Amino acid sequence: DAKTTQPPSMDCAEGRAANLPCNHSTISGNEYVYWYRQIHSQGPQYIIHGLKNNETNEMASLIITEDRKSSTLILPHATLRDTAVYYCIVRGNTGTASKLTFGTGTRLQVTL
Amino acid sequence: GAGVSQTPSNKVTEKGKYVELRCDPISGHTALYWYRQSLGQGPEFLIYFQGTGAADDSGLPNDRFFAVRPEGSVSTLKIQRTERGDSAVYLCASSSFLGGYSGANVLTFGAGSRLTVL
Repeated sequence: DAKTTQPPSMDCAEGRAANLPCNHSTISGNEYVYWYRQIHSQGPQYIIHGLKNNETNEMASLIITEDRKSSTLILPHATLRDTAVYYCIVRGNTGTASKLTFGTGTRLQVTL
Repeated sequence: GAGVSQTPSNKVTEKGKYVELRCDPISGHTALYWYRQSLGQGPEFLIYFQGTGAADDSGLPNDRFFAVRPEGSVSTLKIQRTERGDSAVYLCASSSFLGGYSGANVLTFGAGSRLTVL
């Protein structure tokens, strides 16, 4: 699976959009981009995933560049409860369940 | 059940003791995963099951670690002769991925079992 690079930490004011970048320059054609987050003392929580088109759900939007070498997770109106570590993961669709490989993620701090 | 349940939530043991950690996946989920997370690090893959069989155990650090899922539902992670370095949060996840190339594989995680080896 392709390696991802994320900034170690970011700050965002409550009510503003949080834009979390992820580089995955070695991504291959059948690999999906997944985002999970982990709030303190909880297990990781799925947010969103995409292959090549932009995606939106009730939690966030995922913008994937045309060359698929990078993506951005957007939380449109961040709240204090969005303070967490955000993981960007690239995983191939191998036809089996297989594993997700986590890096160290981006620690997002939402402030008043 | 409604989510992935892990017990115990906290376990303190002494070096050299045997420990079992239990995971109850979401009902109907065929795939089950174990991860380990040390402070300040992302979750580290240990093993995953598809049904009753271990499909990938490449993350188990050594032969002191073993996991079973005898009926394809509940799983137990077993650690023999615990060492202080085994102290971590052990996370379990499950997914309903049924195979094929059509879609993604979304894992649902439990809250974890915090193991402390003194």
